[in-house]
Amino acid sequence: GENVEQHPSTLSVQEGDSAVIKCTYSDSASNYFPWYKQELGKGPQLIIDIRSNVGEKKDQRIAVTLNKTAKHFSLHITETQPEDSAVYFCAPQYSSASKIIFGSGTRLSIRP
Amino acid sequence: DTAVSQTPKYLVTQMGNDKSIKCEQNLGHDTMYWYKQDSKKFLKIMFSYNNKELIINETVPNRFSPKSPDKAHLNLHINSLELGDSAVYFCASSTGNGEQFFGPGTRLTVL
Repeated sequence: GENVEQHPSTLSVQEGDSAVIKCTYSDSASNYFPWYKQELGKGPQLIIDIRSNVGEKKDQRIAVTLNKTAKHFSLHITETQPEDSAVYFCAPQYSSASKIIFGSGTRLSIRP
Repeated sequence: DTAVSQTPKYLVTQMGNDKSIKCEQNLGHDTMYWYKQDSKKFLKIMFSYNNKELIINETVPNRFSPKSPDKAHLNLHINSLELGDSAVYFCASSTGNGEQFFGPGTRLTVL
């Protein structure tokens, strides 16, 4: 079955610096690669996603890069701000009918 | 204009009781899910329904029984609650293109 590993589990960065979170998966059939942000007391929310025919996608300060050969994808947040503090999850997926496995989460803290 | 709603938000109950959590989505999505998030924030899928039919049923005790009266609703009934059932339960929906829309969660505490 699919195995998903997410690193690091916690990350603390100075406000204004960049943060990178990596997700490694085992199912080579995965073709959808989302990142979710979960703020305290709320449900996870999609912040960016990428499909297997694209190597990189950027949306303002956040970006996702995909390496299908190595089976990993990463979330990049530049110019971090206090509101970026949250738990981030990856959830690589083959199809909507397939089992969805979330990464173990990364708690990102932004130091003022 | 809530997209995915859950009730109740908090649920405190005694061991052995039976309880239900309700979920509704107004997004017109065909697929709905139940997830369990434990105290370490691990998020694990429990069930998935597509157009009222069960398509994913993870290794969950049969004390947990989902019910989908129509494609906009997916309720979760839990019998004989145990201490280990304490967690936050999230409902979610999806169009099938991958993106999941989560509800605000129901924090269940079993005493």
